[in-house]
Amino acid sequence: EVQLVESGGGLVKPGVSLRVSCAASGFTFSTYNMIWVRQAPGMGLEWIALITGDSSIISYGDSVKGRFTISRDNAKNSLFLQMSSLRVEDTAVYYCARDGGCSGGNCYGTIDYWGQGTQVTVSS
Amino acid sequence: DIVMTQTPLSSPVTLGQPASISCRSSQSLVHSDGNTYLSWLHQRPGQPPRLLIYKISNRFSGVPDRFSGSGAGTDFTLKISRVEAEDVGFYYCAQATHSPWTFGQGTKVEIK
Repeated sequence: EVQLVESGGGLVKPGVSLRVSCAASGFTFSTYNMIWVRQAPGMGLEWIALITGDSSIISYGDSVKGRFTISRDNAKNSLFLQMSSLRVEDTAVYYCARDGGCSGGNCYGTIDYWGQGTQVTVSS
Repeated sequence: DIVMTQTPLSSPVTLGQPASISCRSSQSLVHSDGNTYLSWLHQRPGQPPRLLIYKISNRFSGVPDRFSGSGAGTDFTLKISRVEAEDVGFYYCAQATHSPWTFGQGTKVEIK
């Protein structure tokens, strides 16, 4: 069973840094692209970062580019999001998610599994 | 960025009756590989989203066959043939053809 468990969220002040983590299990982690998506209170979903299985390609949404860093440790089946210079508008639930990739010649082209999310609140 | 526009934003439905949600993209979602990476997600209150439909019309593992997707190019539709109580919540369309991936603003389905 695919499981994604986020941790590391909390209440922080504007301008500080925070790292959230995601522990993956139930699949061969290193063969999947991984994604962070966030959801502000009462709002929709925002894709913020993607990292390929071998970390060779990384991309960010414009709202976090230059402030957030996505990384992974395939030996520990873990995904990370280092967030710096946090702003009030970064307040959201942060979801770790798996890019479904391809299986047997069939490519999903979407997120197939989501974690439960970790709350990050930025407030003075 | 590709803008995904859903209609309606709210859909009160009667149990056992059909429901339909539309999603329009600001550009064609046909990828250079020939696939159209348009998916539909369902999010119940307090829960993470879960995948329902991928590549316009393919139901994900375990998704009931009362859910169906259709469309092409820039216009897509999710249909629920007979709404059940567990179907309440928000529905999002999502595109992964163009970077960055983007989502619709969500449609709230509730029981009348």
